Amino acid sequence: DTGVSQDPRHKITKRGQNVTFRCDPISEHNRLYWYRQTLGQGPEFLTYFQNEAQLEKSRLLSDRFSAERPKGSFSTLEIQRTEQGDSAMYLCASSPPGTGALGAFFGQGTRLTVV
Amino acid sequence: AQTVTQSQPEMSVQEAETVTLSCTYDTSENNYYLFWYKQPPSRQMILVIRQEAYKQQNATENRFSVNFQKAAKSFSLKISDSQLGDTAMYFCAFMKGAGGTSYGKLTFGQGTILTVHP
Repeated sequence: DTGVSQDPRHKITKRGQNVTFRCDPISEHNRLYWYRQTLGQGPEFLTYFQNEAQLEKSRLLSDRFSAERPKGSFSTLEIQRTEQGDSAMYLCASSPPGTGALGAFFGQGTRLTVV
Repeated sequence: AQTVTQSQPEMSVQEAETVTLSCTYDTSENNYYLFWYKQPPSRQMILVIRQEAYKQQNATENRFSVNFQKAAKSFSLKISDSQLGDTAMYFCAFMKGAGGTSYGKLTFGQGTILTVHP
C-alpha cells in the first residue's frame, strides 16, 4: 500500500496520560500536515512540515501538543496530559512538491478517545 | 484568513438522480485552488475534484462536475447519476496558491452529509 499510513487507528487513554501518533506519508511527498476532526465537523489544521522543517502551527496546537518529522520522512504527533476535549480524529495528509494543485492525500486517521 | 461555508448540513437523493452541493468561500487571495473531498463512513478522505481559480472552465471528473463562480465566490458540486457508493460526507476546501506561507494548507467547510437512497 503506497498511501498515507497512520498508526494506531484507534487509541483509548485515560485523562492525564500522554499519547503519540505516527504518520508515514506517501514516498517523495515533501509536505506533511496534521489536522484534527471532531464529530460532524470539517478537519481543522494543526501543523505543517516541509521536509523536516515545521513551518506553521495553528493556535489550536496548545503547549501540550508537539509534532516532529525527523529526517523529513515519518511524523509523530504527541499529546501530553490528555484532556477529554482532545477526543477527536487526528488526520495526517501529505502532498508532493509543486504548486499544490493536486491537493493533499489523507490517511485513515487515528481516533483518540480520552476517558 | 480564509473561510469556507457549506450551508447544507444534510442532503439526500434517489439513486440515478442528480444532486448539487453548495459551497461559498471568502478570501482576498487571487491565486488559489478549490477542492471537493469525500469522506465515506469510517473511511479515509479522498479527493473528488479540484479547480484552479485562474481557470474559467469548470472542472469535470466523470459524474462529478463543479460550477465555479469566482466573482460570487461560489463553488458547487454536481453529482450526476448518483450511486449508492456516493453516500458520504462531502467537504469543500480552499487552498492558497504557491508563493506564500501556509501554502498547501487546506481550509475546510463544515461538510454536507449526502445519502443516496435506492
